[in-house]
Amino acid sequence: TQLLEQSPQFLSIQEGENLTVYCNSSSVFSSLQWYRQEPGEGPVLLVTVVTGGEVKKLKRLTFQFGDARKDSSLHITAAQPGDTGLYLCAGSPNTGNQFYFGTGTSLTVIP
Amino acid sequence: SAVISQKPSRDICQRGTSLTIQCQVDSQVTMMFWYRQQPGQSLTLIATANQGSEATYESGFVIDKFPISRPNLTFSTLTVSNMSPEDSSIYLCSVEDPGDYGYTFGSGTRLTVV
Repeated sequence: TQLLEQSPQFLSIQEGENLTVYCNSSSVFSSLQWYRQEPGEGPVLLVTVVTGGEVKKLKRLTFQFGDARKDSSLHITAAQPGDTGLYLCAGSPNTGNQFYFGTGTSLTVIP
Repeated sequence: SAVISQKPSRDICQRGTSLTIQCQVDSQVTMMFWYRQQPGQSLTLIATANQGSEATYESGFVIDKFPISRPNLTFSTLTVSNMSPEDSSIYLCSVEDPGDYGYTFGSGTRLTVV
């Protein structure tokens, strides 16, 4: 059983469309991170959210941390082919020092 | 943020042999993490390596199969021992960046066992 469940697992959309990726857990996290990974590379940090209810924007990407700090979402506006990649949420639960990754969302943006 | 050099980037190995993966960090870090990833899937934590102590392994991973060395604060190795085709995967090392709460990763080692 994965500590962090992401949905959807796969997403294929047309350029210009909007999308939302969800990251859910039954555990409380002190912070959550979102990463994007391209083939042949390691994951690259996009953002860290640390406060329940926090919203962060990074150009066309909007990240939200749930009020109870158990879930997070990533919303992309007007997706572009350059957004294609594997999106991963990750974090350390309050109960330990381990750092875990979500199940991942593979996004393909079709030109 | 830290810069990690990981090698080899890929290898094809015979079953029954062992492969050692190296990660060199450009700064001193307390903990290094080793992950396994199937292509297109998420990362699974193998173990956490602290300098000067034995690595802490996650459930399903054992030291005899994945021995780890951490001789100093900038270097670590992961060995995949007595390999079988089921060990074919991407292996990544990672360190924490204290400045932004995130983690920096090596570019990964793509291992194929034949």
